[in-house]
Amino acid sequence: DGGITQSPKYLFRKEGQNVTLSCEQNLNHDAMYWYRQDPGQGLRLIYYSQIVNDFQKGDIAEGYSVSREKKESFPLTVTSAQKNPTAFYLCASSADHSGNTIYFGEGSWLTVV
Amino acid sequence: QKEVEQNSGPLSVPEGAIASLNCTYSDRGSQSFFWYRQYSGKSPELIMFIYSNGDKEDGRFTAQLNKASQYVSLLIRDSQPSDSATYLCAVKVGNAGNMLTFGGGTRLMVKP
Repeated sequence: DGGITQSPKYLFRKEGQNVTLSCEQNLNHDAMYWYRQDPGQGLRLIYYSQIVNDFQKGDIAEGYSVSREKKESFPLTVTSAQKNPTAFYLCASSADHSGNTIYFGEGSWLTVV
Repeated sequence: QKEVEQNSGPLSVPEGAIASLNCTYSDRGSQSFFWYRQYSGKSPELIMFIYSNGDKEDGRFTAQLNKASQYVSLLIRDSQPSDSATYLCAVKVGNAGNMLTFGGGTRLMVKP
């Protein structure tokens, strides 16, 4: 089935640890995105990538890093520099650079313990 | 000032009634407007999008856009308990590449 797969669905991070969230899509979409959602809040853009080997910072990129070595994959690393990482992380993709019709993965819950 | 504003709710309507959800935006360069539905703990699902002033209907859903007043609304006719969710308004600004800016969402509760 075509879609966006995020893993893991639930992740616990210890203080000072880096963790990486996986996002894979088989929709042949050019653009991919990472959003963060805090409880009861809307979505905030962390990073986005319009094409392989290129990505741009969103509104809240500090403490996060990404890579886009393959069209299908856009992993997000939450570094120890991110002081409040507990949130719901959503990966998304869209077919073209216009961004019309963005589709989301199932999301990953990250909790700091 | 937030770029996309929504009343957080909850908006409570009885089953069978019309639910009206509103969204205002600050950037007049905004070109495209999207409504997503998000159930608790799940990812957002696209309901519909609208580009032009006026109404756009899809089943029980109608999106309304008024660019002069900078608001977009979503009407849900014959509301069902299964419509209970958070509804997110998203806006694509013309000079922001392909990024969407989301409002905080309105929580809708449809009571049987």
